[in-house]
Amino acid sequence: AQKITQTQPGMFVQEKEAVTLDCTYDTSDPSYGLFWYKQPSSGEMIFLIYQGSYDQQNATEGRYSLNFQKARKSANLVISASQLGDSAMYFCAMREGPKGTYKYIFGTGTRLKVLA
Amino acid sequence: DVKVTQSSRYLVKRTGEKVFLECVQDMDHENMFWYRQDPGLGLRLIYFSYDVKMKEKGDIPEGYSVSREKKERFSLILESASTNQTSMYLCASSLRGKEQYFGPGTRLTVT
Repeated sequence: AQKITQTQPGMFVQEKEAVTLDCTYDTSDPSYGLFWYKQPSSGEMIFLIYQGSYDQQNATEGRYSLNFQKARKSANLVISASQLGDSAMYFCAMREGPKGTYKYIFGTGTRLKVLA
Repeated sequence: DVKVTQSSRYLVKRTGEKVFLECVQDMDHENMFWYRQDPGLGLRLIYFSYDVKMKEKGDIPEGYSVSREKKERFSLILESASTNQTSMYLCASSLRGKEQYFGPGTRLTVT
């Protein structure tokens, strides 16, 4: 069974608009972490934002925010005021496992295209 | 500036060859990881290591092995390369559950 599910293979958004990229996860661990990464066409993976399972508030980093709904097991990424440079592949990932021996599982990604 | 380096950006090997992919990090991270990335499949975890000489299987370890003799270096070994191992290989490291830092990737083609 998929532990991280990203149901949107591709999305378009108009420049300056907000966009939400979906991510749902599945784990029985009470302690876990959720991450979003950006992969531009150049190929490097760039860390964007992190949410811990015990964090009470949704994480924010500049134009990125994470809409964390624990009961629904979803961790959607919201990008506000989209820019052309936001065009990239976006991956949701989950950290799980005993402390010290963590592993990180990734979803299949969403390709975002920002239109001028 | 944190850095994860991989020994090759592009590699072409023949079926049956033994292939070594090297990854080095300069951040003193305990945890290191090997993934392969294929279109439509995202990143799939091959092996990971949480300490020197320690290794754990990920989701797709078949056909691969790893070695971690020093903290900064994590090697992925394809004992007998096959065409279905043609892929992009990404190495990453992390500090105690925090975000991962990735290398630039090695695009391996097995003919």
